[in-house]
Amino acid sequence: DQQVKQNSPSLSVQEGRISILNCDYTNSMFDYFLWYKKYPAEGPTFLISISSIKDKNEDGRFTVFLNKSAKHLSLHIVPSQPGDSAVYFCAASPKGNLIFGKGTKLSVKP
Amino acid sequence: EAQVTQNPRYLITVTGKKLTVTCSQNMNHEYMSWYRQDPGLGLRQIYYSMNVEVTDKGDVPEGYKVSRKEKRNFPLILESPSPNQTSLYFCASSLGTGLAEQFFGPGTRLTVL
Repeated sequence: DQQVKQNSPSLSVQEGRISILNCDYTNSMFDYFLWYKKYPAEGPTFLISISSIKDKNEDGRFTVFLNKSAKHLSLHIVPSQPGDSAVYFCAASPKGNLIFGKGTKLSVKP
Repeated sequence: EAQVTQNPRYLITVTGKKLTVTCSQNMNHEYMSWYRQDPGLGLRQIYYSMNVEVTDKGDVPEGYKVSRKEKRNFPLILESPSPNQTSLYFCASSLGTGLAEQFFGPGTRLTVL
């Protein structure tokens, strides 16, 4: 059974607008969450993370929100840029290992 | 430059022919891991290692072996590859298990005929 779910396989957004990528998890013991970005023919690269003791973490155009009661997190990208077009993976970390979602392909159109 | 390297980047082989995919990191990281990426399935962990001589199974370890004889290297071994192991493989490392930000290698695309 999937422990980390990204229910939207793809998302298309206009340049300059907000992109919102969603992620749900099932295990309340997860204490650390991360977002990775992946371009074709490259390995994933770390984007932003959040600890379960926080509900928001911001880094430039990227903000991650965590709703522990709903077991839900989201990544907001504002404003979206064409270079943000990539596959975004949500991951949860129980004790240092990473459990990934299936990814959401974001397309930002000029 | 801090990096995780994998070799080969591309490999086409035949069923049953043993192969090894090497992984090396130059960041003195304790934690290393192997993942496979398949369409519609995302990234799934194969094996991980928390330190030298310490390895453990991930979610999909069947058909794979690993070893961690030294800190920098974490090879992935397929003793008898089968077509269902055709996939894109990533090696990753991180400073420690408490620091979950992992650095990924560029990937190895393996095709087993």
